[in-house]
Amino acid sequence: KNEVEQSPQNLTAQEGEFITINCSYSVGISALHWLQQHPGGGIVSLFMLSSGKKKHGRLIATINIQEKHSSLHITASHPRDSAVYICAVKGQGAQKLVFGQGTRLTINP
Amino acid sequence: SQTIHQWPATLVQPVGSPLSLECTVEGTSNPNLYWYRQAAGRGLQLLFYSVGIGQISSEVPQNLSASRPQDRQFILSSKKLLLSDSGFYLCAWTVPYPNTEAFFGQGTRLTVV
Repeated sequence: KNEVEQSPQNLTAQEGEFITINCSYSVGISALHWLQQHPGGGIVSLFMLSSGKKKHGRLIATINIQEKHSSLHITASHPRDSAVYICAVKGQGAQKLVFGQGTRLTINP
Repeated sequence: SQTIHQWPATLVQPVGSPLSLECTVEGTSNPNLYWYRQAAGRGLQLLFYSVGIGQISSEVPQNLSASRPQDRQFILSSKKLLLSDSGFYLCAWTVPYPNTEAFFGQGTRLTVV
């Protein structure tokens, strides 16, 4: 079992829909990152969370430390949101990041 | 400000040729540095990480090696590329524990032909 599991692996939705991507992890963490990878491969850091909730524009990220679970939400989705969304965690006392497999999101106009 | 530079962005190399990918960071000292690889259709897999100059930890056996000749420079190399080395290579750095920030390069898409 992977330390970081994301669901769904693939998600296709219509423009305007509310999107939720989930991330579950099995270890105690010091931080969780949500990343966006565009078709060309470049990675953009969206959020870093250690507790609670963060919002940036139409993106919202939440984390529940007790349940070892985080969600990334996109409101009023747009075709330009189409990308792979990746969850990564840094374990407590650990040096390295562990990545989830990613969720491929496609928003159709 | 803290930044990370990774180059080249894309690379096409013949089988058997050498490889050198370079990653440098700015705006920090003594970072933890990482090389990850993403094969087609798969997640990012940790290849190497370094907590200091000359200190390299390898996560998976492979055809690649890493070096850290300077504090803020991390190099991924191969003497002879294989077809299976094709993929997306990502450099990242974090500030040592207990800090939790992480920064990511733009990545290098390597195609071995």
